[in-house]
Amino acid sequence: TQLLEQSPQFLSIQEGENLTVYCNSSSVFSSLQWYRQEPGEGPVLLVTVVTGGEVKKLKRLTFQFGDARKDSSLHITAAQPGDTGLYLCAGRAGGSYQLTFGKGTKLSVIP
Amino acid sequence: ETGVTQSPTHLIKTRGQQVTLRCSSQSGHNTVSWYQQALGQGPQFIFQYYREEENGRGNFPPRFSGLQFPNYSSELNVNALELDDSALYLCASSLDPGGRLGANVLTFGAGSRLTVL
Repeated sequence: TQLLEQSPQFLSIQEGENLTVYCNSSSVFSSLQWYRQEPGEGPVLLVTVVTGGEVKKLKRLTFQFGDARKDSSLHITAAQPGDTGLYLCAGRAGGSYQLTFGKGTKLSVIP
Repeated sequence: ETGVTQSPTHLIKTRGQQVTLRCSSQSGHNTVSWYQQALGQGPQFIFQYYREEENGRGNFPPRFSGLQFPNYSSELNVNALELDDSALYLCASSLDPGGRLGANVLTFGAGSRLTVL
């Protein structure tokens, strides 16, 4: 069974601070995605990373896929209250239709 | 272009009852996946439907079943409800079943929140 461990589970920071969220596994994934989910909504895709060592930037968000394709990180610069939400990482093993999700990191950005 | 719509948004059932949840996929998408998200957890894959057939299943018992219709909409049926079935049930549609490297971008609906008493 493939598992994705996310840390921290909860994070409460002040507006303007930087933060990093981690997603780790002992398994190799062919691709890894990050989603953000707000209360009462479904997850919304932020990014897909495919190549080991890949770095993608989305405005103030930077996503990295580990060289061995077993881990990933999400870094947010100068967090804003609008960044508040549940951040989920999800991995797909090669040839599999199934996405394996982590439990998520619940982020609160205080104005 | 409409997104993924799910119904009902909330429902309450008692143990032993049966429930049917419905999902309309995003326009142009032919594949539907269902996920269960318990409180404080990430979504767990239930199964996927493509061309009206189940083509992938997670670790869920047979009392979880589904259908896909010719218009690509889908239903999730759960029989003999248990308390642990209380969760948010998410439907996601995609352009294809995926499994290829980097493919299969999922669009999720807002979910159906099921409470089993």
